[in-house]
Amino acid sequence: AQSVTQPDIHITVSEGASLELRCNYSYGATPYLFWYVQSPGQGLQLLLKYFSGDTLVQGIKGFEAEFKRSQSSFNLRKPSVHWSDAAEYFCAVGMDTGRRALTFGSGTRLQVQP
Amino acid sequence: ETGVTQSPTHLIKTRGQQVTLRCSSQSGHNTVSWYQQALGQGPQFIFQYYREEENGRGNFPPRFSGLQFPNYSSELNVNALELDDSALYLCASSLASGGITDTQYFGPGTRLTVL
Repeated sequence: AQSVTQPDIHITVSEGASLELRCNYSYGATPYLFWYVQSPGQGLQLLLKYFSGDTLVQGIKGFEAEFKRSQSSFNLRKPSVHWSDAAEYFCAVGMDTGRRALTFGSGTRLQVQP
Repeated sequence: ETGVTQSPTHLIKTRGQQVTLRCSSQSGHNTVSWYQQALGQGPQFIFQYYREEENGRGNFPPRFSGLQFPNYSSELNVNALELDDSALYLCASSLASGGITDTQYFGPGTRLTVL
């Protein structure tokens, strides 16, 4: 069965600092990988997705993620964090066979210090 | 273009009761998925509907059931509520074949509290 691990429950960074959120997945075939962001009272917003091709994926709001098959990782990065980036971030993996479901990690809460 | 909307925003029920949550898909979308997000956890897949037929189901008991209507709006019904059903219920819609490569657009969720 597929699974997603986000090792960091909570991360605090200073505004303007760089950010990296970790995501490791377990899946036998080529995964479909996603990063979503959830602000309080809001639904999940898709930041970026990887299906195939270039392993460095650009998303919205200045985020990018890199797929590393050898490490089973799909880490999210941003070179300079803004206060408005404070939110919960979820990594998810999907498969295109059988159940058409996304499997989510438990999330990383990002706090931004002024 | 309107996004995904869900109603009600909040709901309080007691154990043993039944509840119906509603979702309006984004315009033109023919696939809807429902997820349960317990406090401090990531969303868990309940089921998906494509063109009014169930198209996949997660590890949830049969007392969780759903419907998708011809206008692609959807309902999630939960019977015999248990305390552990307290969670944020998220609806997500997508277009076309219902494959996982279709981007899922999420609504703001319904917060269900079971007392």
